[in-house]
Amino acid sequence: DADVTQTPRNRITKTGKRIMLECSQTKGHDRMYWYRQDPGLGLRLIYYSFDVKDINKGEISDGYSVSRQAQAKFSLSLESAIPNQTALYFCATSDRATYNEQFFGPGTRLTVL
Amino acid sequence: AQSVTQLGSHVSVSEGALVLLRCNYSSSVPPYLFWYVQYPNQGLQLLLKYTTGATLVKGINGFEAEFKKSETSFHLTKPSAHMSDAAEYFCAVTPYNQGGKLIFGQGTELSVKP
Repeated sequence: DADVTQTPRNRITKTGKRIMLECSQTKGHDRMYWYRQDPGLGLRLIYYSFDVKDINKGEISDGYSVSRQAQAKFSLSLESAIPNQTALYFCATSDRATYNEQFFGPGTRLTVL
Repeated sequence: AQSVTQLGSHVSVSEGALVLLRCNYSSSVPPYLFWYVQYPNQGLQLLLKYTTGATLVKGINGFEAEFKKSETSFHLTKPSAHMSDAAEYFCAVTPYNQGGKLIFGQGTELSVKP
């Protein structure tokens, strides 16, 4: 079984809709992250959380919000989706004991029409 | 601000040839350095990492990288390319004083010709 899972794997939605992407992990890590990947831009950090009560904005948080429901669950929401949020979204986890090596989920491909 | 630059968005090599993917970073102190690989329709997988100690780091699938502080570089190499190495490769750094966050380069797509 995968250590970091993301649901859904693919989603097509319309402009203005609210979307939630979910991430779960069984690695026991305290740190979780959301990234988006766009061609030619690499991965950019949206939000990160070092524990359940600690949530921080990344470099591109506008238009997104997150919820850390438990140590193992970290959800990303798009309150009102727009076409330029079409991208591949990755969740990742890490543990400070391993120099913050991050473990990635399989990704969610989101298309906003 | 910290940054990571990967020279070349696309690199093409012949099977059996040397693979060299370049990565330079900007940092006033040595960060932790990583190379990740992304195969089509998959997430990122760690190839190797440098934290402290020996500057030549060996990873999975025959890849290695050398941390050169004087050049602020962390280039990825493999002596002999295999068709299965075709993928996208990302260099990333964790800033020394911002533990936990990764800053990624823009990625290099490696193609391997028969």
